[in-house]
Amino acid sequence: AEKVIQVWSTASRQEGEELTLDCSYETSQVLYHLFWYKHLLSGEMVFLIRQTSSSTAKERSGRYSVVFQKSLKSISLIISALQPDDSGKYFCALWELNSGGSNYKLTFGKGTLLTVTP
Amino acid sequence: ETAVFQTPNYHVTQVGNEVSFNCKQTLGHDTMYWYKQDSKKLLKIMFSYNNKQLIVNETVPRRFSPQSSDKAHLNLRIKSVEPEDSAVYLCASSFTGVGNTLYFGEGSRLIVV
Repeated sequence: AEKVIQVWSTASRQEGEELTLDCSYETSQVLYHLFWYKHLLSGEMVFLIRQTSSSTAKERSGRYSVVFQKSLKSISLIISALQPDDSGKYFCALWELNSGGSNYKLTFGKGTLLTVTP
Repeated sequence: ETAVFQTPNYHVTQVGNEVSFNCKQTLGHDTMYWYKQDSKKLLKIMFSYNNKQLIVNETVPRRFSPQSSDKAHLNLRIKSVEPEDSAVYLCASSFTGVGNTLYFGEGSRLIVV
């Protein structure tokens, strides 16, 4: 079974609108982190925002914010005031320690391709 | 279910040694990538390779080199490791083309002492 699920493979919005990208995950760990990345055409994966499982703070970074529903194992990325440059593929990722606690692994969802039209 | 396999997952070595990380994908993809995850969790592309073209990020030191025997394998060799090479290295694969999904391996953590 997939550990990180992004239901929507594509999304499209107009400039100025707001978008919510959903991500659900599975983990048995108590402490873990969730990341959102944007994949650029150059291949670069740009870190957008992070949510720690133990934090109740509403994480926000510029136009990016998250809605973290720990009991539902869900994290949504909200992008406000969309711009055409926001077009790209957005990945949700789960960071957790392995079962032995000696190493960690990062599991990515399959991504959502966003198109923002002027 | 993992379809991009990286080995080893964890490696500790001394400065100056040579290290290789192996990556194999079973998805039939034609493009593979290596990323370095730095301390800020930023993933920096190091190489992308399909059977026609190797694209190297010019910021990658020359001691790093990709090695591929076929389109399902892309290994990463570090000739003489330096302390700043300590990081997690992620392998990924996809079909060639903009917007295609990347599938990542679980990462290979390198610690240079």
